[in-house]
Amino acid sequence: DTGVSQDPRHKITKRGQNVTFRCDPISEHNRLYWYRQTLGQGPEFLTYFQNEAQLEKSRLLSDRFSAERPKGSFSTLEIQRTEQGDSAMYLCASSQAANNSPLHFGNGTRLTVT
Amino acid sequence: AQTVTQSQPEMSVQEAETVTLSCTYDTSENNYYLFWYKQPPSRQMILVIRQEAYKQQNATENRFSVNFQKAAKSFSLKISDSQLGDTAMYFCAFMNTQGGSEKLVFGKGMKLTVNP
Repeated sequence: DTGVSQDPRHKITKRGQNVTFRCDPISEHNRLYWYRQTLGQGPEFLTYFQNEAQLEKSRLLSDRFSAERPKGSFSTLEIQRTEQGDSAMYLCASSQAANNSPLHFGNGTRLTVT
Repeated sequence: AQTVTQSQPEMSVQEAETVTLSCTYDTSENNYYLFWYKQPPSRQMILVIRQEAYKQQNATENRFSVNFQKAAKSFSLKISDSQLGDTAMYFCAFMNTQGGSEKLVFGKGMKLTVNP
Protein backbone atom coordinates (compact mmCIF):
# COMPACT_ATOMS: atom_id res chain seq x y z
CA ASP A 1 0.00 0.00 0.00
CA THR A 2 1.82 3.08 -1.26
CA GLY A 3 -1.00 5.45 -0.40
CA VAL A 4 -2.73 8.00 -2.61
CA SER A 5 -0.29 9.72 -4.92
CA GLN A 6 -0.82 13.13 -6.51
CA ASP A 7 1.24 14.83 -9.17
CA PRO A 8 2.51 17.51 -9.33
CA ARG A 9 2.94 18.68 -5.74
CA HIS A 10 3.03 22.31 -6.82
CA LYS A 11 1.93 24.09 -9.95
CA ILE A 12 2.34 27.75 -10.76
CA THR A 13 0.57 28.96 -13.86
CA LYS A 14 -0.48 32.20 -15.47
CA ARG A 15 -4.10 33.22 -15.63
CA GLY A 16 -5.80 31.84 -18.69
CA GLN A 17 -3.61 28.73 -19.00
CA ASN A 18 -4.91 25.18 -18.70
CA VAL A 19 -3.61 22.83 -16.02
CA THR A 20 -4.04 19.12 -15.40
CA PHE A 21 -3.47 17.22 -12.17
CA ARG A 22 -3.19 13.49 -11.69
CA CYS A 23 -4.24 11.25 -8.83
CA ASP A 24 -3.30 7.60 -8.35
CA PRO A 25 -5.52 6.04 -5.68
CA ILE A 26 -4.73 3.07 -3.50
CA SER A 27 -4.90 0.14 -5.89
CA GLU A 28 -7.85 -1.77 -4.42
CA HIS A 29 -9.97 1.35 -3.88
CA ASN A 30 -12.71 1.84 -6.41
CA ARG A 31 -13.97 5.17 -5.11
CA LEU A 32 -12.06 8.34 -5.86
CA TYR A 33 -12.82 11.88 -4.72
CA TRP A 34 -11.52 15.34 -5.55
CA TYR A 35 -11.66 18.13 -2.99
CA ARG A 36 -10.47 21.74 -3.03
CA GLN A 37 -9.02 23.43 0.03
CA THR A 38 -8.39 27.16 0.26
CA LEU A 39 -6.35 28.82 3.00
CA GLY A 40 -8.10 28.75 6.35
CA GLN A 41 -10.92 26.54 5.16
CA GLY A 42 -11.79 22.89 5.27
CA PRO A 43 -11.77 20.82 2.09
CA GLU A 44 -14.78 21.29 -0.19
CA PHE A 45 -16.13 18.42 -2.25
CA LEU A 46 -15.72 18.72 -6.01
CA THR A 47 -16.53 15.35 -7.54
CA TYR A 48 -16.58 11.62 -6.94
CA PHE A 49 -16.08 8.48 -9.02
CA GLN A 50 -17.00 4.91 -8.43
CA ASN A 51 -14.78 2.95 -10.79
CA GLU A 52 -14.90 4.92 -14.05
CA ALA A 53 -18.32 6.44 -13.46
CA GLN A 54 -18.50 10.04 -12.26
CA LEU A 55 -21.43 9.82 -9.88
CA GLU A 56 -21.61 13.31 -8.41
CA LYS A 57 -20.35 16.79 -9.18
CA SER A 58 -20.50 19.79 -6.90
CA ARG A 59 -21.87 23.11 -8.06
CA LEU A 60 -18.36 24.38 -7.30
CA LEU A 61 -17.21 22.48 -10.36
CA SER A 62 -17.79 25.07 -13.07
CA ASP A 63 -17.69 24.19 -16.75
CA ARG A 64 -13.98 25.08 -16.78
CA PHE A 65 -13.33 22.03 -14.61
CA SER A 66 -13.40 18.48 -15.88
CA ALA A 67 -12.43 15.25 -14.18
CA GLU A 68 -11.96 11.84 -15.68
CA ARG A 69 -11.17 8.36 -14.53
CA PRO A 70 -11.05 6.48 -17.83
CA LYS A 71 -10.04 3.02 -16.66
CA GLY A 72 -11.29 3.19 -13.12
CA SER A 73 -7.77 3.57 -11.77
CA PHE A 74 -6.00 6.94 -11.90
CA SER A 75 -7.91 10.18 -12.32
CA THR A 76 -7.16 13.55 -13.86
CA LEU A 77 -8.58 16.94 -12.98
CA GLU A 78 -8.26 19.61 -15.65
CA ILE A 79 -8.90 23.30 -15.17
CA GLN A 80 -9.23 25.35 -18.35
CA ARG A 81 -8.67 29.09 -18.60
CA THR A 82 -7.45 29.31 -15.02
CA GLU A 83 -8.43 32.26 -12.86
CA GLN A 84 -6.76 33.62 -9.74
CA GLY A 85 -9.66 32.32 -7.70
CA ASP A 86 -8.69 28.79 -8.68
CA SER A 87 -5.58 29.06 -6.50
CA ALA A 88 -5.98 26.37 -3.86
CA MET A 89 -4.83 22.97 -2.72
CA TYR A 90 -6.50 20.22 -4.73
CA LEU A 91 -6.84 17.04 -2.72
CA CYS A 92 -7.55 13.57 -3.98
CA ALA A 93 -8.86 10.79 -1.78
CA SER A 94 -9.82 7.18 -2.32
CA SER A 95 -11.80 4.54 -0.46
CA GLN A 96 -13.27 1.10 -0.84
CA ALA A 97 -16.88 0.74 -1.88
CA ALA A 98 -18.32 -0.01 1.52
CA ASN A 99 -20.30 2.08 3.92
CA ASN A 100 -18.12 3.86 6.42
CA SER A 101 -14.96 2.99 4.50
CA PRO A 102 -12.54 5.75 5.49
CA LEU A 103 -11.13 8.14 2.92
CA HIS A 104 -7.38 8.08 2.39
CA PHE A 105 -6.05 11.43 1.21
CA GLY A 106 -3.08 12.28 -0.93
CA ASN A 107 -0.65 15.10 -0.23
CA GLY A 108 -2.47 17.37 -2.63
CA THR A 109 -1.48 19.58 -5.53
CA ARG A 110 -1.03 23.24 -4.64
CA LEU A 111 -2.07 25.46 -7.54
CA THR A 112 -1.02 29.10 -7.73
CA VAL A 113 -2.50 31.19 -10.52
CA THR A 114 -0.63 34.44 -11.12
CA ALA B 1 -27.80 20.70 3.15
CA GLN B 2 -25.56 19.53 5.91
CA THR B 3 -23.25 21.97 7.66
CA VAL B 4 -20.41 21.45 10.10
CA THR B 5 -19.31 24.17 12.50
CA GLN B 6 -16.05 24.38 14.39
CA SER B 7 -16.31 27.54 16.43
CA GLN B 8 -12.78 27.54 17.89
CA PRO B 9 -10.27 28.58 15.22
CA GLU B 10 -7.22 27.94 17.36
CA MET B 11 -6.17 26.35 20.65
CA SER B 12 -2.93 25.61 22.43
CA VAL B 13 -2.19 23.12 25.16
CA GLN B 14 0.80 22.00 27.17
CA GLU B 15 2.30 18.62 26.49
CA ALA B 16 0.66 15.82 28.54
CA GLU B 17 -2.49 17.84 29.14
CA THR B 18 -5.98 17.00 27.89
CA VAL B 19 -7.75 19.15 25.33
CA THR B 20 -11.25 19.05 23.88
CA LEU B 21 -12.12 20.25 20.38
CA SER B 22 -15.73 21.14 19.70
CA CYS B 23 -17.86 20.48 16.65
CA THR B 24 -21.53 20.89 15.90
CA TYR B 25 -23.39 19.90 12.79
CA ASP B 26 -26.77 20.31 11.22
CA THR B 27 -28.68 17.62 9.38
CA SER B 28 -32.18 16.29 9.01
CA GLU B 29 -30.90 12.78 8.39
CA ASN B 30 -30.98 10.02 11.00
CA ASN B 31 -28.22 7.81 9.67
CA TYR B 32 -24.80 9.28 9.05
CA TYR B 33 -21.17 9.13 10.08
CA LEU B 34 -18.97 11.66 11.80
CA PHE B 35 -15.22 11.92 11.57
CA TRP B 36 -12.27 13.81 12.94
CA TYR B 37 -9.36 14.25 10.54
CA LYS B 38 -5.91 15.59 11.38
CA GLN B 39 -3.78 17.58 8.92
CA PRO B 40 -0.22 18.14 10.20
CA PRO B 41 1.73 21.05 8.70
CA SER B 42 2.60 20.30 5.06
CA ARG B 43 1.42 16.73 5.40
CA GLN B 44 -1.56 14.77 4.25
CA MET B 45 -4.87 14.54 6.02
CA ILE B 46 -5.33 11.41 8.08
CA LEU B 47 -8.32 9.92 9.87
CA VAL B 48 -8.23 10.19 13.64
CA ILE B 49 -11.54 8.69 14.68
CA ARG B 50 -15.04 8.00 13.36
CA GLN B 51 -18.49 7.52 14.84
CA GLU B 52 -21.60 5.91 13.42
CA ALA B 53 -24.71 7.87 14.33
CA TYR B 54 -26.69 4.75 15.16
CA LYS B 55 -24.20 3.74 17.84
CA GLN B 56 -24.76 5.21 21.27
CA GLN B 57 -21.33 4.24 22.51
CA ASN B 58 -18.69 6.89 22.01
CA ALA B 59 -15.78 5.88 19.80
CA THR B 60 -12.30 5.62 21.29
CA GLU B 61 -8.91 5.24 19.60
CA ASN B 62 -6.05 5.16 22.10
CA ARG B 63 -5.60 8.74 23.36
CA PHE B 64 -8.48 10.02 21.22
CA SER B 65 -12.11 9.78 22.21
CA VAL B 66 -15.31 11.51 21.20
CA ASN B 67 -18.36 12.79 23.01
CA PHE B 68 -21.23 12.23 20.60
CA GLN B 69 -24.48 13.91 21.56
CA LYS B 70 -26.93 13.08 18.78
CA ALA B 71 -29.85 15.12 20.05
CA ALA B 72 -27.66 18.17 20.46
CA LYS B 73 -25.85 17.45 17.16
CA SER B 74 -22.53 17.78 18.90
CA PHE B 75 -19.38 15.78 18.25
CA SER B 76 -16.38 16.83 20.32
CA LEU B 77 -12.92 15.28 20.26
CA LYS B 78 -10.89 14.75 23.41
CA ILE B 79 -7.16 14.27 23.17
CA SER B 80 -5.61 12.91 26.33
CA ASP B 81 -1.93 13.11 27.24
CA SER B 82 -1.24 15.56 24.38
CA GLN B 83 1.98 15.00 22.46
CA LEU B 84 4.03 17.38 20.34
CA GLY B 85 3.09 15.32 17.29
CA ASP B 86 -0.56 16.18 17.86
CA THR B 87 0.15 19.69 16.59
CA ALA B 88 -1.99 19.99 13.47
CA MET B 89 -5.18 21.31 11.95
CA TYR B 90 -8.15 19.23 13.06
CA PHE B 91 -11.22 18.95 10.89
CA CYS B 92 -14.60 17.64 11.91
CA ALA B 93 -16.49 16.03 9.03
CA PHE B 94 -19.95 14.64 8.30
CA MET B 95 -20.94 11.96 5.84
CA ASN B 96 -24.54 11.31 4.86
CA THR B 97 -25.15 7.69 3.95
CA GLN B 98 -28.56 8.23 2.39
CA GLY B 99 -29.07 8.56 -1.33
CA GLY B 100 -25.74 7.06 -2.35
CA SER B 101 -23.65 10.18 -1.97
CA GLU B 102 -20.78 9.52 0.36
CA LYS B 103 -18.98 12.79 0.25
CA LEU B 104 -17.53 14.36 3.35
CA VAL B 105 -18.65 17.79 4.48
CA PHE B 106 -15.89 19.42 6.49
CA GLY B 107 -15.82 22.16 9.06
CA LYS B 108 -13.35 25.04 8.73
CA GLY B 109 -10.87 23.35 11.01
CA MET B 110 -9.12 24.19 14.23
CA LYS B 111 -5.41 24.74 14.66
CA LEU B 112 -4.07 22.89 17.69
CA THR B 113 -0.61 23.63 19.01
CA VAL B 114 0.94 21.41 21.66
CA ASN B 115 3.68 23.22 23.54
CA PRO B 116 6.60 21.52 25.26
